[in-house]
Amino acid sequence: AQSVSQHNHHVILSEAASLELGCNYSYGGTVNLFWYVQYPGQHLQLLLKYFSGDPLVKGIKGFEAEFIKSKFSFNLRKPSVQWSDTAEYFCAVTPNSGYSTLTFGKGTMLLVSP
Amino acid sequence: DAGVIQSPRHEVTEMGQEVTLRCKPISGHNSLFWYRQTMMRGLELLIYFNNNVPIDDSGMPEDRFSAKMPNASFSTLKIQPSEPRDSAVYFCASSAEDRESDTQYFGPGTRLTVL
Repeated sequence: AQSVSQHNHHVILSEAASLELGCNYSYGGTVNLFWYVQYPGQHLQLLLKYFSGDPLVKGIKGFEAEFIKSKFSFNLRKPSVQWSDTAEYFCAVTPNSGYSTLTFGKGTMLLVSP
Repeated sequence: DAGVIQSPRHEVTEMGQEVTLRCKPISGHNSLFWYRQTMMRGLELLIYFNNNVPIDDSGMPEDRFSAKMPNASFSTLKIQPSEPRDSAVYFCASSAEDRESDTQYFGPGTRLTVL
């Protein structure tokens, strides 16, 4: 079975700082990778996803993530965060075969101070 | 599109009572997922339906939990009897189960409090 590890449980940044959230997965085969965001009191929304092709994926709101197959990583980045980016971020993986059951990481809570 | 619809949004009940959570997936989606989110355990997949058939219910905590999907546009998650440790946010998600659209779309969740 696959698993997902997110390195940081909490991250605190000032506005305009650069962001990188770590995500590593374990699975022996080909995977699809996702980052979801959950704003306070809201449901999960898709930020970006990787299925195949260019390992650098661009998502909404200026976020991007890079799939590094050799490192089993899919880190999320943003050059300059805003206060409105305060949210919890979840990395998720699903095998690229069969049914698409997502396995989520524990999440990283990002707090951006104005 | 209205997105995934869940009801109720909030539910407060007493221990021992039956609780039924409802979900309407996005029209045309053929896969439906029930998740539970708690501070301690994060997001956990409870059960997964494909074309109205339960495919994986290994995440269902115990016999007190049951889920049904009588048709493509409706699913229920029932807890009977409920216990305080069932307090959590329950999310429903749906996907089109297409290789290029293999993305799950989440509903707003039901916040369940069992006293």
